Amino acid sequence: GQQLNQSPQSMFIQEGEDVSMNCTSSSIFNTWLWYKQDPGEGPVLLIALYKAGELTSNGRLTAQFGITRKDSFLNISASIPSDVGIYFCAGQNTGRRALTFGSGTRLQVQP
Amino acid sequence: GAGVSQSPSNKVTEKGKDVELRCDPISGHTALYWYRQRLGQGLEFLIYFQGNSAPDKSGLPSDRFSAERTGESVSTLTIQRTQQEDSAVYLCASTTTTGANTGELFFGEGSRLTVL
Repeated sequence: GQQLNQSPQSMFIQEGEDVSMNCTSSSIFNTWLWYKQDPGEGPVLLIALYKAGELTSNGRLTAQFGITRKDSFLNISASIPSDVGIYFCAGQNTGRRALTFGSGTRLQVQP
Repeated sequence: GAGVSQSPSNKVTEKGKDVELRCDPISGHTALYWYRQRLGQGLEFLIYFQGNSAPDKSGLPSDRFSAERTGESVSTLTIQRTQQEDSAVYLCASTTTTGANTGELFFGEGSRLTVL
């Protein structure tokens, strides 16, 4: 089946730094999404991307849908302690509703 | 409640026993998913329900796993003859299926299963 390679696996940064993480796939997706999971919680949607080349922002978060449809990145600017968590990319194709998730990027922010 | 509700939140069982996990989706959400998350790993798709259509069972790892959903209501995931490798958090999610926003899943807090 389709697989997503997400990197980096983990990051430890200082408060105020910018963060970048990305996801690549061997096959195309029609929708890319980024979720965040806090400890003991289910993932929560951060950003959804529906068009190749699309660049979307949500506060300090910016995500892009790669032009090849096989990749996406998420940037977090000016990180704060509450950004701590696991970030997952996910891809979806028309006709198959199930999302394929990446393995996650664990982010730790040092105050 | 307003969100997806799952029960039990924690379940410890002995190898070989059967377990049943329950998911109550957001009212009005026609689609329901089950995912499995092993410790430190990503989410692994198990099964998808959409209204009264035949479910997408392509992610179920073995015939010990089954799930049911009646209409657009509660779903149960059953694992028979549990094995230690079944230990994981089982996440349920629901969503609407109209428009472009079908990837916006709303997750419950999960059921943590530990098989001894």
